[in-house]
Amino acid sequence: HVQLVESGGGVVQPGRSLRLSCAASGFTFSSYGMHWVRQAPGKGLEWVAVLSSDGSNKYYADSVKGRFTISRDNSKNTLYLQMNSLRAEDTAVYYCAKVLEQRLAIDVFDIWGQGIMVTVSS
Amino acid sequence: DIQMTQSPSTLSASVGDRVTITCRASQNINSWLAWYQQKPGKAPQLLIYKASSLESGVPSRFSGSGSGTEFTLTISSLQPGDFATYYCQQYKFYLTFGPGTKVDIK
Repeated sequence: HVQLVESGGGVVQPGRSLRLSCAASGFTFSSYGMHWVRQAPGKGLEWVAVLSSDGSNKYYADSVKGRFTISRDNSKNTLYLQMNSLRAEDTAVYYCAKVLEQRLAIDVFDIWGQGIMVTVSS
Repeated sequence: DIQMTQSPSTLSASVGDRVTITCRASQNINSWLAWYQQKPGKAPQLLIYKASSLESGVPSRFSGSGSGTEFTLTISSLQPGDFATYYCQQYKFYLTFGPGTKVDIK
């Protein structure tokens, strides 16, 4: 059963850091590009970051560039999102997502995690 | 950056209705367009990719068409489980989602 499970969310003060994890199972994690997508309360979907299957290529949305870092550990089947200098506008449900085609980084998402809430508030 | 728009933003319909949602891109994205369905409190689910390819397991009442800058998602006969929000997504240049179309009960 293909599954993605996020963890690490919570309430954090502005300017602080948080690291999200996404544990993958049921597929060959090292063969797929992985993404983070977020959704602010009551709002639409916003793409955040992508990391290629081998970790060599990564891209970020302008809204998080320089503050967030995407990484992966293929030996642990886990994707990460290190979030620094958090702002109130980063408050959202964060989803990790797997791309449809092997070896592609930019592609559609066929599997999503359940989402994890991050609240940035003093 | 490629901007995506959707119309309408909200659509009221009844079970059995034919429903059409339009998505427009700010520049040519060929057929690099996907559609997702999202229900409240749930993660989105992929319906259509490459503008018209049906994802495995998705009912055939869902169909997609278009290329270039204008695309449509059609639900041929709306079912109770189809009341949800629908998002288009371009993936020609990085990724951008449309603002969403909420389909609710008339």
